[in-house]
Amino acid sequence: DAGVIQSPRHEVTEMGQEVTLRCKPISGHNSLFWYRQTMMRGLELLIYFNNNVPIDDSGMPEDRFSAKMPNASFSTLKIQPSEPRDSAVYFCASSFLGGDYEQYFGPGTRLTVT
Amino acid sequence: QQQVKQSPQSLIVQKGGISIINCAYENTAFDYFPWYQQFPGKGPALLIAIRPDVSEKKEGRFTISFNKSAKQFSLHIMDSQPGDSATYFCAASPGYSSASKIIFGSGTRLSIRP
Repeated sequence: DAGVIQSPRHEVTEMGQEVTLRCKPISGHNSLFWYRQTMMRGLELLIYFNNNVPIDDSGMPEDRFSAKMPNASFSTLKIQPSEPRDSAVYFCASSFLGGDYEQYFGPGTRLTVT
Repeated sequence: QQQVKQSPQSLIVQKGGISIINCAYENTAFDYFPWYQQFPGKGPALLIAIRPDVSEKKEGRFTISFNKSAKQFSLHIMDSQPGDSATYFCAASPGYSSASKIIFGSGTRLSIRP
């Protein structure tokens, strides 16, 4: 079975550019999470969706960040405009709402903003 | 009240020794306490989890000890091996009413010396 799929795996962009990160959750899962990981701040929950509906976006740093989940098999995290402090590894995870709470993480996207 | 505090930040243990990582929480509504393991370049993966109705759970060399009255829980790795070198995150979930959100600790970087 395919796990959580994220693309791209690596992204290097210049400050001010738009960045779009993509995630395909595990088939059948109905909760999706976006995390950001840095050395300084650890693993931070940015936003999560249940049944494609955003439930909690309190972790989104600022208005430059937005996330969408147009259907059960696809989500995007967009940063516009990007800044050097956005450099981090971004993880997507999925789980089955009402199950055992286990979250399955993707391999991450390493974002570098120069 | 939503925080999960984890210590130590880093830990070095000799091969064959016992690794111990501690966590504490405040929110008594938490009812699920997982530990995630993360290898470099990979996303975190569930290692072992416990619910507050038991005081201990063991899976192979990994044991969670849970003290509900003290609101503390810990991970013990017996006979630690170099392959256990990774970052470990404790976590807590606020319960079914809050769906599938998990609060992660700050992480412990474990190194097992051969």
